[in-house]
Amino acid sequence: GAVVSQHPSRVICKSGTSVKIECRSLDFQATTMFWYRQFPKKSLMLMATSNEGSKATYEQGVEKDKFLINHASLTLSTLTVTSAHPEDSSFYICSARTSGRADTQYFGPGTRLTVL
Amino acid sequence: EDKVVQSPLSLVVHEGDTVTLNCSYEVTNFRSLLWYKQEKKAPTFLFMLTSSGIEKKSGRLSSILDKKELFSILNITATQTGDSAVYLCAVGGGSNYKLTFGKGTLLTVNP
Repeated sequence: GAVVSQHPSRVICKSGTSVKIECRSLDFQATTMFWYRQFPKKSLMLMATSNEGSKATYEQGVEKDKFLINHASLTLSTLTVTSAHPEDSSFYICSARTSGRADTQYFGPGTRLTVL
Repeated sequence: EDKVVQSPLSLVVHEGDTVTLNCSYEVTNFRSLLWYKQEKKAPTFLFMLTSSGIEKKSGRLSSILDKKELFSILNITATQTGDSAVYLCAVGGGSNYKLTFGKGTLLTVNP
């Protein structure tokens, strides 16, 4: 149980385009989903927290107009990187938690974004 | 500001060795401490600890929490090459269920 999927696993795009990443909880309802960014050999950096049906809460320094988050249902959250630039290239990981399991977050497999 | 410090940052051992990974924390309204293993992709959940002194065990891995001294250890006995990974410690607290992650310990197990 507690499986989280992410799609796509890898994306390469041109500078200026927008990219959408989906995160789904497959076998549980995710009351909260989190979006992280990870640079090579660095730890996870939380970008935003989203609760189903409400606006995402962004961490300091994360541009909400750049990284659009939608948590439309209890099993789906999307992150859209708008007008992507090479510096947005990174490994993006989502996680999900359910109300019955306290702090435990289950992570998706991640999406490697490369912006040319 | 919440802080999680892991040590060592990296460790190289031979198969069969036993390793101990450390995690200390300073967190407001501590609720739980979690250990994750990260290989090439996203972290996989190992343990969640909420109470002091109660060891959690899964095969060759075990972990314990000391809430008085604000630290946790993760032990791996009889290490195997498949244990090579980054081990992340994270602490949860507050009403928003955010986790604060440490920088991780890179464990390399050589045959």
